[in-house]
Amino acid sequence: QKEVEQDPGPLSVPEGAIVSLNCTYSNSAFQYFMWYRQYSRKGPELLMYTYSSGNKEDGRFTAQVDKSSKYISLFIRDSQPSDSATYLCAMSAGAGSYQLTFGKGTKLSVIP
Amino acid sequence: DVKVTQSSRYLVKRTGEKVFLECVQDMDHENMFWYRQDPGLGLRLIYFSYDVKMKEKGDIPEGYSVSREKKERFSLILESASTNQTSMYLCASSLFGLAGRFLFGPGTRLTVL
Repeated sequence: QKEVEQDPGPLSVPEGAIVSLNCTYSNSAFQYFMWYRQYSRKGPELLMYTYSSGNKEDGRFTAQVDKSSKYISLFIRDSQPSDSATYLCAMSAGAGSYQLTFGKGTKLSVIP
Repeated sequence: DVKVTQSSRYLVKRTGEKVFLECVQDMDHENMFWYRQDPGLGLRLIYFSYDVKMKEKGDIPEGYSVSREKKERFSLILESASTNQTSMYLCASSLFGLAGRFLFGPGTRLTVL
């Protein structure tokens, strides 16, 4: 079983739709959960950062962590063409940990 | 504007050449990382460094070496480039104690012919 599973897509939605992106994981030691956004031919950029279980909201983006189910989600409300990118989930076991475990990314296209 | 810079955006080399990829960060971060990114395989960690002159192997270190002589600079070296090292190479940095808050560079697309 892979440590982090993420559906690669591609996912195509109309502008204005609510987008749901998900990752599952197997390592119960993970406590820090991240979502990175990567535009084509660019490096990933940190989008959302969450510690332990719960929700975090930032504008149109909501990150959700359910540690009991080992499941994390990123919701994008009122999606825009500028949201078209690959979204990578990432996880870490500790604050001082050097290692991040990444999902393989989901490619999202928002169609005008 | 804080950033991570990589020496080249695109690079084409011949099989057997020695290749240097340079990464510089201006944020005084302790940790620096080299990843490669391939379609279907995602991001894979090659090497990382948590201090000057310190280095640790990642998941796929074979065929690579690294150097960190100054805190702000982390170099990836391909001793003898091979075609299976054609990839996107991404450098990242982070502060100790802030797990996962990586700042990535723009990437170097390396093609080995």
